[in-house]
Amino acid sequence: EAQVTQNPRYLITVTGKKLTVTCSQNMNHEYMSWYRQDPGLGLRQIYYSMNVEVTDKGDVPEGYKVSRKEKRNFPLILESPSPNQTSLYFCASRGAWRETQYFGPGTRLLVL
Amino acid sequence: AQSVAQPEDQVNVAEGNPLTVKCTYSVSGNPYLFWYVQYPNRGLQFLLKYITGDNLVKGSYGFEAEFNKSQTSFHLKKPSALVSDSALYFCAVRGFENTGFQKLVFGTGTRLLVSP
Repeated sequence: EAQVTQNPRYLITVTGKKLTVTCSQNMNHEYMSWYRQDPGLGLRQIYYSMNVEVTDKGDVPEGYKVSRKEKRNFPLILESPSPNQTSLYFCASRGAWRETQYFGPGTRLLVL
Repeated sequence: AQSVAQPEDQVNVAEGNPLTVKCTYSVSGNPYLFWYVQYPNRGLQFLLKYITGDNLVKGSYGFEAEFNKSQTSFHLKKPSALVSDSALYFCAVRGFENTGFQKLVFGTGTRLLVSP
């Protein structure tokens, strides 16, 4: 089954404790993105990647890092989480010449 | 820069009645337009898209959307609403960055509530 998976689905952590949210897709897609969803703000792009080792900042990259060492994986790293990073996070992917973007199930993060 | 506006935070409709969820956009060049739906505790599911061609686009679950270039709108419609259609709906537009990456920009979402 074609899908985008994320782990963990739920995470509670404390300020300053480094964490990683994994994202993997099995569709051989070139493009991958991370979004955060906040009430009243919709989805905002954090980082995106056009291919292996090619990443760039989205609209709200502060406090986040990403890496793309393999085509299928695109982890999101919070080196020192803060409470304002409490949010719902989505990973997404699409092929280079396909227009539809597919989303993972989301990761709900609470930073205390 | 591209943008999307969903002017209604919530739309209420009775089951069996037609529904419309509004979306207007701003983008340079030809727009790629999308509708996604989010059910509680779920990810975003693709409903339909407009790339080119017929202005009336049909999608999943009986939804359709009408592209209107002069009004820069892409309203989502369904002839007869179901209670199970109650969800959060997002309109999105894809534009072009200088690097060639086609960025997807979302509206703030519209909650659809269908009453029995």
